[in-house]
Amino acid sequence: SQQGEEDPQALSIQEGENATMNCSYKTSINNLQWYRQNSGRGLVHLILIRSNEREKHSGRLRVTLDTSKKSSSLLITASRAADTASYFCAPLTSGSARQLTFGSGTQLTVLP
Amino acid sequence: DADVTQTPRNRITKTGKRIMLECSQTKGHDRMYWYRQDPGLGLQLIYYSFDVKDINKGEISDGYSVSRQAQAKFSLSLESAIPNQTALYFCATSDGRRGAVNEQFFGPGTRLTVL
Repeated sequence: SQQGEEDPQALSIQEGENATMNCSYKTSINNLQWYRQNSGRGLVHLILIRSNEREKHSGRLRVTLDTSKKSSSLLITASRAADTASYFCAPLTSGSARQLTFGSGTQLTVLP
Repeated sequence: DADVTQTPRNRITKTGKRIMLECSQTKGHDRMYWYRQDPGLGLQLIYYSFDVKDINKGEISDGYSVSRQAQAKFSLSLESAIPNQTALYFCATSDGRRGAVNEQFFGPGTRLTVL
């Protein structure tokens, strides 16, 4: 199954610093989505980037997509303690385009 | 009010028991999904439904069954629960009118423990 793999598995930074998380996937995609999960809660959609887009912004979030390298990155600028959460990428395979698959996520800890 | 609700929120049961987890949504979405999450891992798709008459198996459907009673309701059943089905279960919805699967909206989850 098409599964995004996030890197690193865990990241710890100071408040105010930027956090960068990476995602690699295996086959061609229709779009790639990033989600956040606070401990024990449901996932919340952050941003979607389509296969013909290279960069997208939403507030303090910046997502890039390199389809030639089959990779994406999520940058959170000026991080806050409230950004502490797990972050998942979810590639949507082109072709059937019927289901997302999720990797194991990056656990981000922002220290005050 | 929450757009996607799940009941119960927590459940402890014994091996061999039949369990039903329920999901309701008020978003008017046609697509609904059931996922499980094991500690420290990502989500695995159990079943998904693109409308009331459309039910599809996901990655890990063995030991589970589903029922789409109405557009707004999607239930997950464990016919005979076993300990390795202990996990966090999430329901999600999305709007199929936009074509390819786009943003999914998740419920708060059901923590299931099978003893």
